[in-house]
Formats: sequence, C-alpha cells, structure tokens
Amino acid sequence: RKEVEQDPGPFNVPEGATVAFNCTYSNSASQSFFWYRQDCRKEPKLLMSVYSSGNEDGRFTAQLNRASQYISLLIRDSKLSDSATYLCVVNNYNQGGKLIFGQGTELSVKP
Amino acid sequence: NAGVMQNPRHLVRRRGQEARLRCSPMKGHSHVYWYRQLPEEGLKFMVYLQKENIIDESGMPKERFSAEFPKEGPSILRIQQVVRGDSAAYFCASSATGTANTGELFFGEGSRLTVL
Repeated sequence: RKEVEQDPGPFNVPEGATVAFNCTYSNSASQSFFWYRQDCRKEPKLLMSVYSSGNEDGRFTAQLNRASQYISLLIRDSKLSDSATYLCVVNNYNQGGKLIFGQGTELSVKP
Repeated sequence: NAGVMQNPRHLVRRRGQEARLRCSPMKGHSHVYWYRQLPEEGLKFMVYLQKENIIDESGMPKERFSAEFPKEGPSILRIQQVVRGDSAAYFCASSATGTANTGELFFGEGSRLTVL
C-alpha cells in the first residue's frame, strides 16, 4: 500500500466549476500535511499547508481529518490557470523529516 | 536571489555509462533532498543531505547510486552503469531548516536523464 494515495484523475472541469481532490495517508504518525502544485514537466511548488482546523487561501480550501487519515483540497471558481497536477504531501518527522508525495491528481480546466 | 540550480537540465547516456547530476541549493540553505520522478508517476524520495553528511538515504537504490554534499560546491547525485530504468526526472530541493519546521521545499527545475 502506498503511503499517500490520490486519485490520479484526470479531472476535466469547465471554468468556474468547483472541484475537490481527496488524499489518504497510511502512517498515523504523520504530523504535517501540504498540497503542492506541479505544472507539466516543471518543478513542484508549495500551494498551501493543511491544518487540523482547516484553512483557506483565496479560492483554495484545505481540510484534514486525522481520525480518517484523509486530506482534501477544494478549488472554487476554477480558472484555466489552475490546470496542473496537485500533489498531496505528508511529513513524517520520525522518518527524518522527508516529505512523502502522492502520485498527484491531474486537473484540466476547460474554457 | 537565484533559486535551486540543477544541471544539466537534460542528459543522455548509453547503458553502462555514468551520470552525474549537480544541484546548488538556494543561498543560505544547507538541507538538500533528491527526488526521482518516473514518467506518469509521483515523486519518490531518494536521499536527504546536509553539508558533508547523509541524513537519510532510505530511498536510494542499494547499488550504483550515490550522493554527496561537500563542504564546498554543489550536491552531486551519481549513477554508475546506468540502465534504461534509470531514465527519469531527478529533482533536487533545498530548505533552510529542514522540512520538520515548515514543510516547504524549494525545487530546482530538474535534470532529465535519458538512457539509450
């Protein structure tokens, strides 16, 4: 079983749509969580951290459910520029602090 | 302020040759991480280094792969006797304090290795 699992997609949505991505992680000792964004054949970049209370950054909302070991990302009012692969990332401090990346969920926003 | 610099950006090797990938972290960053991304797959952790020390190499294949981060100069990922399965994008990332604090890694643009 992968440490971080995501639906690879692709998710094809029209501009303006709301889309949600889910992610599950297997290590209950995981301590911090993030969403990264990766554009085609480019380097990943941090999108946002995920806090237990949930957090919002503009059109993006991230949620964490530690009991279910589940992380989500909601994108409202999708823009063409949101088209990318969204990577769910987990940090296990007891594994030396390395970041564990999910396979990523591909989003394509169409006009 | 230059970001993480990786070179070469593209490297072509024949089976059995050696590949050397270089990474200069962001200024002021002493933590370096190497990840490998195979086509249509996610990023897989390989190794975590601080200056002159390997902190975690749990993701490194046991043979042919090695990494270093000397006191002076860039970090080097070395692959000896390359095979076709080594073809991938190799990303280097750096941080100032290690991911335990912020979780933010700054990635380079990657080195794409093709083994013929």
